Amino acid sequence: NAGVTQTPKFQVLKTGQSMTLQCAQDMNHNSMYWYRQDPGMGLRLIYYSASEGTTDKGEVPNGYNVSRLNKREFSLRLESAAPSQTSVYFCATKQGSSYNEQFFGPGTRLTVL
Amino acid sequence: QQQVKQSPQSLIVQKGGISIINCAYENTAFDYFPWYQQFPGKGPALLIAIRPDVSEKKEGRFTISFNKSAKQFSLHIMDSQPGDSATYFCAAVGYGSSNTGKLIFGQGTTLQVKP
Repeated sequence: NAGVTQTPKFQVLKTGQSMTLQCAQDMNHNSMYWYRQDPGMGLRLIYYSASEGTTDKGEVPNGYNVSRLNKREFSLRLESAAPSQTSVYFCATKQGSSYNEQFFGPGTRLTVL
Repeated sequence: QQQVKQSPQSLIVQKGGISIINCAYENTAFDYFPWYQQFPGKGPALLIAIRPDVSEKKEGRFTISFNKSAKQFSLHIMDSQPGDSATYFCAAVGYGSSNTGKLIFGQGTTLQVKP
């Protein structure tokens, strides 16, 4: 089992370009999350999906959109990238209760010039 | 606002020493406090977690101490090893008017254990 996979691993964009970060899981978990990690800021929740067909905003949703394509896949889209979106992006999944462990993917390192 | 504050930002410890990382929270609705460990180039992974009905939880060399009245909790790594060198995040989750069961992370602590 691959667990949680993210593509791409690295990406460089120019300001104003768009792109989609992909996340897939084979753990049959209901909940999926997108975080960004910045130095000194910890991990901040961008969007999450409690179950297939639902999405909701997290702490820092501005400039992003998400799609829960099916139970396995949760994508994050930057419509018009900005240098402030330079970050490492992590996808995570969780089953059931909020007190259960979240499983993280390996991350996507995004640089916006 | 930062609901979970973590310190120190970085920590250097000699092999065999004790590493201590502290976190403080504000929201009394939090009722689950996990610690995640992240190695360079990897995603975070759950290390240990505690509920506020106990004051201490120990798993091997890792111990969480919890002080509910002070709204503080800490991670102690006993007999620290070079393989423990990583970034550690405390987190909190709970239900209430301002939280819907989502994890709130601290800022992270980069630990370096010198051989």
